[in-house]
Amino acid sequence: GENVEQHPSTLSVQEGDSAVIKCTYSDSASNYFPWYKQELGKRPQLIIDIRSNVGEKKDQRIAVTLNKTAKHFSLHITETQPEDSAVYFCAASWGQAGTALIFGKGTTLSVSS
Amino acid sequence: DTAVSQTPKYLVTQMGNDKSIKCEQNLGHDTMYWYKQDSKKFLKIMFSYNNKELIINETVPNRFSPKSPDKAHLNLHINSLELGDSAVYFCASSQMEGTEAFFGQGTRLTVV
Repeated sequence: GENVEQHPSTLSVQEGDSAVIKCTYSDSASNYFPWYKQELGKRPQLIIDIRSNVGEKKDQRIAVTLNKTAKHFSLHITETQPEDSAVYFCAASWGQAGTALIFGKGTTLSVSS
Repeated sequence: DTAVSQTPKYLVTQMGNDKSIKCEQNLGHDTMYWYKQDSKKFLKIMFSYNNKELIINETVPNRFSPKSPDKAHLNLHINSLELGDSAVYFCASSQMEGTEAFFGQGTRLTVV
């Protein structure tokens, strides 16, 4: 089955800096790669996703890149703000019947002002 | 008009008891899931249902029994609760299996 590795487990940055979180996946059949943000005591919520036919996707300060050959994808957050502090999860799936999102172990991002 | 709602939000119970968590979605999705989030925040898939049929059962002890009376509901019943069952349980739904999942607010289960 799919296995998703995520690094780093914790990341501390100063407000205004950039943050990068990296994930690798094992199953070359995976074609859907979402990123979720989970604030303390809240539910995980989708912030951006990418499919295997796209190499990069951007939404304001957030971008995701995908390298299918190397089987890794990354989340980039620019101009970080204190409200970006949360746990971020990457996930992967085949995006078809019989599958579910398989999550990485999460990255705790702390943005200090 | 919450999209995915689960009850209760908190559940404290003694070892050996049986408890249930209920989940409902009003998004019209065909697929529903149960995820377990342990103390280290790891989100692990437990079960996946598509249109009331069990699709995925990820090496979960048979003390855990999901039930889907219709495609908008997926309940989780746990028998003979153990200390190690303490975690946050999230229900989720998606339009298609393995695509964007919408999560409920979670149920924090504490077994004492």
